[in-house]
Amino acid sequence: AQKVTQAQTEISVVEKEDVTLDCVYETRDTTYYLFWYKQPPSGELVFLIRRNSFDEQNEISGRYSWNFQKSTSSFNFTITASQVVDSAVYFCALRAGGFKTIFGAGTRLFVKA
Amino acid sequence: NAGVTQTPKFQVLKTGQSMTLQCAQDMNHEYMSWYRQDPGMGLRLIHYSVGAGITDQGEVPNGYNVSRSTTEDFPLRLLSAAPSQTSVYFCASSYRQWDQETQYFGPGTRLLVL
Repeated sequence: AQKVTQAQTEISVVEKEDVTLDCVYETRDTTYYLFWYKQPPSGELVFLIRRNSFDEQNEISGRYSWNFQKSTSSFNFTITASQVVDSAVYFCALRAGGFKTIFGAGTRLFVKA
Repeated sequence: NAGVTQTPKFQVLKTGQSMTLQCAQDMNHEYMSWYRQDPGMGLRLIHYSVGAGITDQGEVPNGYNVSRSTTEDFPLRLLSAAPSQTSVYFCASSYRQWDQETQYFGPGTRLLVL
């Protein structure tokens, strides 16, 4: 069975701090996809990144970076120099063994000015 | 492109009423799916479709029906609404090709069942 665990329910930081959101996944499939989505207070879901299971390269996009480690089944997301606009709920998701996508419960990030 | 559109944005129903949540996409995506979002539980897959005429159940399909008569549309029907179906519903679509399997989400429909 597939499972995604986001153990951090809420995180609160002060602007300009770095913050890491944890994501641990479970799957027996060797081919799978991992995703991160952002849900700002307005409610829409914004795609941030997709990572394939055979590509363990870390990725950096501006202030965002992702660390994918198959050995620990983790796909963590770091925001460098956080800003108030980063305040949102962040979801990690897993697609394996077909089309079904399993989402974690989400981590709510508060960035205070 | 309008992307993924959902109507209505907000709906109030009484227990036992039926209704259809509409979802449409103009990106020629083969895959479409419906999720519900409840506090503290993330998004859970209700039903999905890999192409016109093909649908399958997700994690929480009970109380919902879907059909996919065209590539563009994927309506979700609540047969007899219950308070437990109070939630925010998201429709999503994606390409079929493995290297383009990124889901694009609609703006959501907030449903309240009294």
